[in-house]
Amino acid sequence: DQQVKQNSPSLSVQEGRISILNCDYTNSMFDYFLWYKKYPAEGPTFLISISSIKDKNEDGRFTVFLNKSAKHLSLHIVPSQPGDSAVYFCAADTGKLIFGQGTTLQVKP
Amino acid sequence: DSGVTQTPKHLITATGQRVTLRCSPRSGDLSVYWYQQSLDQGLQFLIQYYNGEERAKGNILERFSAQQFPDLHSELNLSSLELGDSALYFCASSVESRTDTQYFGPGTRLTVL
Repeated sequence: DQQVKQNSPSLSVQEGRISILNCDYTNSMFDYFLWYKKYPAEGPTFLISISSIKDKNEDGRFTVFLNKSAKHLSLHIVPSQPGDSAVYFCAADTGKLIFGQGTTLQVKP
Repeated sequence: DSGVTQTPKHLITATGQRVTLRCSPRSGDLSVYWYQQSLDQGLQFLIQYYNGEERAKGNILERFSAQQFPDLHSELNLSSLELGDSALYFCASSVESRTDTQYFGPGTRLTVL
């Protein structure tokens, strides 16, 4: 039973445009979320996090939005760069990380 | 570089064998976590140790065990290996526990033939 879901396996955007990656969760008790980026043959790299007391957190080109009523979060990357091409995982932190299945982002030059 | 190291990088072994994966956490981190990434299951939490003590358990098989040593490095032991155990095994570490960011090592790719 997938408690954290990323329904889009892949996303392709043009360099300079916005990338929006989506994530849904089922447990309303989840209150802390993270996004990780993963390149092939490397471990996941932490990108950005958000607590449920906020609905937005920004770090440079990366912004995470949290909609608690919809149990939905999204990661916006603006502007997208070719180096952003990777697999993106959202995760809920319950003491352990519960990961979504990941979305492969391809940013085309 | 996350500061978390894992050895070996690759491991090829046969069914029925036993292997040990090693993880050294970032300096100052007391918590170590193990995750398994397989093709069909994604990234799954296995087990967490905090300062030498087991703190949380996920869907870890009984054939698998782990420990954290006084110097805080951790080992994941996999025994009676099956073909389905082939996966990437990641170690992560954090300062303490929940909401402290977990930093991941590069992983160990285990292939069971």
